[in-house]
Amino acid sequence: AQSVTQLGSHVSVSEGALVLLRCNYSSSVPPYLFWYVQYPNQGLQLLLKYTSAATLVKGINGFEAEFKKSETSFHLTKPSAHMSDAAEYFCAVSPNTGFQKLVFGTGTRLLVSP
Amino acid sequence: NAGVTQTPKFRILKIGQSMTLQCTQDMNHNYMYWYRQDPGMGLKLIYYSVGAGITDKGEVPNGYNVSRSTTEDFPLRLELAAPSQTSVYFCASNQIEGNTEAFFGQGTRLTVV
Repeated sequence: AQSVTQLGSHVSVSEGALVLLRCNYSSSVPPYLFWYVQYPNQGLQLLLKYTSAATLVKGINGFEAEFKKSETSFHLTKPSAHMSDAAEYFCAVSPNTGFQKLVFGTGTRLLVSP
Repeated sequence: NAGVTQTPKFRILKIGQSMTLQCTQDMNHNYMYWYRQDPGMGLKLIYYSVGAGITDKGEVPNGYNVSRSTTEDFPLRLELAAPSQTSVYFCASNQIEGNTEAFFGQGTRLTVV
């Protein structure tokens, strides 16, 4: 079975500070990994995805994530937070073969203060 | 492009009532999903479909039913609404296999009182 664990239900940063949202996965087969963002009262939007190519993945809005197999991690980072980054972020995993059903983490709400 | 469209956006149901949440996608995706989102719990898969006429249960199917008569539509039926079904429901779709992005609808906020 696959699962993801997101450490911290809330993360607070100041505008301009580094954003680090943590995600660890568990998978018995090589996984695909995803980060989604959800703005208030909206659906989920894909930020970036790891699909066994480059381990450092760049996404939209200046976000990136690094796949570290030895640490079973896929942490999301952004060098400088912007007020518009305030949202909820979900890490998700799926197997890379067969039916690719997404399994989501519990989410991390990012708060950005001026 | 419309993408994934869900209706209604909001609904209040009384205990025991039934309703259908509608979901339509115009991207010709084979795979469609229904998730529910509860605070602090992430998204849980209710049902999914890999194509017209084929559906299967996810993690939390009890109290729900689905059908997939066309590629475009994947309605979710609640037969006897219960307070535990108060949640935000999301429909999603993606292309068959591959590492393709799942596209989500805007969600339906359902309250059962």
